[in-house]
Order: sequence, then C-alpha cells, then structure tokens
Amino acid sequence: SYELTQPPSVSVSPRQTVSITCSGDKLGDKYASWYQQKPGQSPVLVIYEDTKRPSGIPERFSGSNSGNTATLTISGTQAMDEADYYCQAWDSSNVFVFGTGTKVTVL
Amino acid sequence: EVQLVESGGGLVQPGGSLRLSCAASGFTVNSNYMSWVRQAPGKGLEWVSLLYSAGSTYYADSVKGRFTISRHTSKNTLYLQMDSLRAEDTAVYYCARVFGDLSSFDIWGQGTMVTVSS
Repeated sequence: SYELTQPPSVSVSPRQTVSITCSGDKLGDKYASWYQQKPGQSPVLVIYEDTKRPSGIPERFSGSNSGNTATLTISGTQAMDEADYYCQAWDSSNVFVFGTGTKVTVL
Repeated sequence: EVQLVESGGGLVQPGGSLRLSCAASGFTVNSNYMSWVRQAPGKGLEWVSLLYSAGSTYYADSVKGRFTISRHTSKNTLYLQMDSLRAEDTAVYYCARVFGDLSSFDIWGQGTMVTVSS
C-alpha cells in the first residue's frame, strides 16, 4: 500500500520560515494536498494540487512537489500557525492516503 | 453557506453496529464525490471510504466488508453504516467533500465521536 512519511515535529521562531516535507514513492507524479489541524478542530485545506491555495488561506503558505517529496512552506510564521499538518495524495488504486502528520511548534 | 454536519456517533459494544449521518447544505451530495475520514484519539488522519457521484464506492482495507457508504438524495445526506465494530474503530469520524479531480478534501464536517468498548 502507498505510504506518505512526514517528520513528527518541527519548531520555528515567529516571523521565520519553516518547511515540512512529505515523502512517498514517485509522489511528484501525483497531486499533493496539505491540511492544517488545530487541537479539537477539523482539518482545514491549506494547499491543493501541489501549489494552489484555497480562498482565505494566507499567502505565507506555499507548496511544491517534485520527485519523491512534497513540501509545505510557511513564510513569516505566526503564533496562529502552530498546529498539526498533514499531507495527502490520491493513489490510482482508488484510495486516498494521508501522511503521518507533523506538529509545528512556534517557539 | 456550504456546510457538513455529522451525527450518530456514540458508545457501542464490540461487534455492534452504528450508522453515521452527514447532512450537507449549500451544495448537493449527489453531484459530488464524498468521503469519510477518521482520526483515532491522539493519532493521525485515516481515509475510510469514498462515494463517487456516479455511485461507485471504495473502502480502506481496514474497514472493507464491515462499513458501507451511501447517500440519500432528497435528504442531501451522506451515511456510513458501520457493522462488526472493533475497538480499533474508535475515532472521530469526519465526512468531507472531495474537491477537484480527486485531489483533496475542501469541506469538512465537525466530526462525530465513535467509541467501541464493552
């Protein structure tokens, strides 16, 4: 079965840039999406189709996807960005796959 | 307003059954791909099931043969029938609308908690 791997945690200082990676076999051949989830809340889509931001998502969120790795980058990180982040892809065997999740801590 | 509201969660004994509902507003369930996603306590997101607008259904291996996804057109509601429940099915269950060409989930419900325990 297809798997997506993320680092368990990353930390960042306010106003700095943080990148979260998502690794999977030939992930660059699929579309990658990213979700933000704060404690007790439902996930929120922040990046879809590798690089696109839904309406209402701040410009500081950006994405890329190539080879075996998709990356979510938060520029000028704010305290409100502290959350869990999950990558996700669609596998041709008609299943959706989520990454293992990354906890972002804003120090 | 585009919205999904789940209901039907609760405490059930191992081997029991439960049916979750997801009422949609602001869009038509029939015209969209819809899914269920779950999250065990303190764990990550796990995709559970997919219902295509044309009616085809797909399931994660962990629930195949035990769970059934369906919809009611006039009620604009998505369902998840869960049978032969196990302790490992304990989770918050979210319904979500599939966005674009099977790329992502753009609308999520607030979730409903299912606890399987004796």
